[in-house]
Amino acid sequence: GAGVSQSPRYKVAKRGQDVALRCDPISGHVSLFWYQQALGQGPEFLTYFQNEAQLDKSGLPSDRFFAERPEGSVSTLKIQRTQQEDSAVYLCASSFGQGGSPLHFGNGTRLTVT
Amino acid sequence: GQQLNQSPQSMFIQEGEDVSMNCTSSSIFNTWLWYKQEPGEGPVLLIALYKAGELTSNGRLTAQFGITRKDSFLNISASIPSDVGIYFCAGQLRGSGNTGKLIFGQGTTLQVKP
Repeated sequence: GAGVSQSPRYKVAKRGQDVALRCDPISGHVSLFWYQQALGQGPEFLTYFQNEAQLDKSGLPSDRFFAERPEGSVSTLKIQRTQQEDSAVYLCASSFGQGGSPLHFGNGTRLTVT
Repeated sequence: GQQLNQSPQSMFIQEGEDVSMNCTSSSIFNTWLWYKQEPGEGPVLLIALYKAGELTSNGRLTAQFGITRKDSFLNISASIPSDVGIYFCAGQLRGSGNTGKLIFGQGTTLQVKP
């Protein structure tokens, strides 16, 4: 497709379950970002990939969060042993190059932990 | 946490009115961007600013990169009902490694009364 695609759109998990969220960036985009957006807040940075290399993971809130992009295209954000405070919209964004290239966002995955 | 202060938090205006919102920070930014987000969707880029003092228009939207590099404003002229949504400022901090990593403001919710 022409834009960033995320799946699933909605995910409900019981506390303690593991979840995996997928992002298909725009074809050819080198940079890929994951953001977390709590209700009523702006997106907050989680992690950044340049091709397959994870260059910045300073925003990941705990070691329960793990992201990968093994072939430099599709990325997966995994959350282990989900907690209620993990409930949020998880946004993926990609850009063609490095700094200065605008980010293009997907529509996000809304995660609800019960 | 967030390093951008965005105001106002919300606005309820009459169709046809002009709108102004702004972002300030104590930190210096290399890039300022303005995004619009509608329910269930990811943020969509409206305007990107790359130089201090830069003034850029996109249709009825005008944005400026503050001369101190610590602030930006967005103006919307002659508002219409489809302008409804949440507007976010976002910036790339100086010294953040030129990765394109963005920090977002808290958002301004705009409602337009026909």
